[in-house]
Amino acid sequence: QLQLQESGPGLVKPSETLSLTCTVSGGSISSSSYYWGWIRQPPGKGLEWIGSIYYSGSTYYNPSLKSRVTISVDTSKNQFSLKLSSVTAADTAVYYCARHVGEIGYCSGGSCGNWFDPWGQGTLVTVSS
Amino acid sequence: QSVLTQPPSVSAAPGQKVTISCSGSSSNIGNNYVSWYQQLPGTAPKLLIYENNKRPSGIPDRFSGSKSGTSATLGITGLQTGDEADYYCGTWDSSLSAGEVVFGGGTKLTVL
Repeated sequence: QLQLQESGPGLVKPSETLSLTCTVSGGSISSSSYYWGWIRQPPGKGLEWIGSIYYSGSTYYNPSLKSRVTISVDTSKNQFSLKLSSVTAADTAVYYCARHVGEIGYCSGGSCGNWFDPWGQGTLVTVSS
Repeated sequence: QSVLTQPPSVSAAPGQKVTISCSGSSSNIGNNYVSWYQQLPGTAPKLLIYENNKRPSGIPDRFSGSKSGTSATLGITGLQTGDEADYYCGTWDSSLSAGEVVFGGGTKLTVL
């Protein structure tokens, strides 16, 4: 079955750039039916969507993070990546990657239905000097 | 402050039924579909409900979802101790031109 696995440094210094990669196995990231997303969860807090990407490179970003976020895809490696610049302690969180299913953005009938399934196990990134 | 509002906690006895509410607005729940996620302690979230009331394969029918207007509800019947978890609602918010995914703040379920 489809599996996702996050990888990257667990510690990033303030003002630097956080970089994570999600490797997809058991299926192709180039499937025309899906986006691929990043979600984070600060310790003891709720979920926050960061952004999602289609295999063609089309992206949607959380408006509150858009100025600092870049999500890219490498179909040859079946991977997609997250870069978050100018990090602070507030960016300390468990970062999850997930397949983003359904209609995003311009939706048939005007109503969007999309969800995340499955999720990676998550990776804790701490921002500290 | 989350865009979607959930109660911080709910509790019920084993075997009983519990409902978790998720309140939004016309730009999100009112005009888009809702999904629900279960997060067991120390694990990643897991999809429970999509498109308001559909269950993925493998999710027991003890879990149900509904939507009315700008609110959605997750119902769990026949509560088990293994259901103790955090539950999150999510949907698309169309208030901005590009739109975005929004989540509720989460509800901690305690099975007494």
